[in-house]
Amino acid sequence: GAVVSQHPSWVICKSGTSVKIECRSLDFQATTMFWYRQFPKQSLMLMATSNEGSKATYEQGVEKDKFLINHASLTLSTLTVTSAHPEDSSFYICSVGTFSYEQYFGPGTRLTVT
Amino acid sequence: TQLLEQSPQFLSIQEGENLTVYCNSSSVFSSLQWYRQEPGEGPVLLVTVVTGGEVKKLKRLTFQFGDARKDSSLHITAAQTGDTGLYLCAGVQQGGKLIFGQGTELSVKP
Repeated sequence: GAVVSQHPSWVICKSGTSVKIECRSLDFQATTMFWYRQFPKQSLMLMATSNEGSKATYEQGVEKDKFLINHASLTLSTLTVTSAHPEDSSFYICSVGTFSYEQYFGPGTRLTVT
Repeated sequence: TQLLEQSPQFLSIQEGENLTVYCNSSSVFSSLQWYRQEPGEGPVLLVTVVTGGEVKKLKRLTFQFGDARKDSSLHITAAQTGDTGLYLCAGVQQGGKLIFGQGTELSVKP
């Protein structure tokens, strides 16, 4: 399977600031990456599908102007949470999609907005 | 909208016991995947089932895909403390998107 890294692993930011989370595919050329968020004791909720070289596809209810996704290369996708608020505090996880529709997940980024 | 109902949501058992987790939907999936997630980490893929009626074994874990490809189960034999974690089923949708069940929080006590 693909090896996926995320940076940072945790971040604390103040309300109103923006924070960028990186997702890297270390050994697989990822044309498709996915971004999820997960609240404590809950399952993963898909936020958007990130396609290399094109605009991301957002799930219903996810604000595309607030959660900016850029997938400029086959190994890197970034998620920027703009004007973060405490309710954006969550565990953000990216994954790499393969041709067999299996997904390999990064270790996640814990975001805390104060 | 396709939904996956996973049950039970919480399970606390003693080491050595057997358990089964269920994943049900009213929709047909082309395939279904099972993941295990530990606190503070991303999910790790355990298995993908594709064919209706398929049974796959991974050591003490047995995965089954329903004949109609609407449901799946995970059975763990002689659970160990190392099996503790969050188990997630996920149905594969068009374009490779996954729809996750609510998850089963398993705690295996020594």
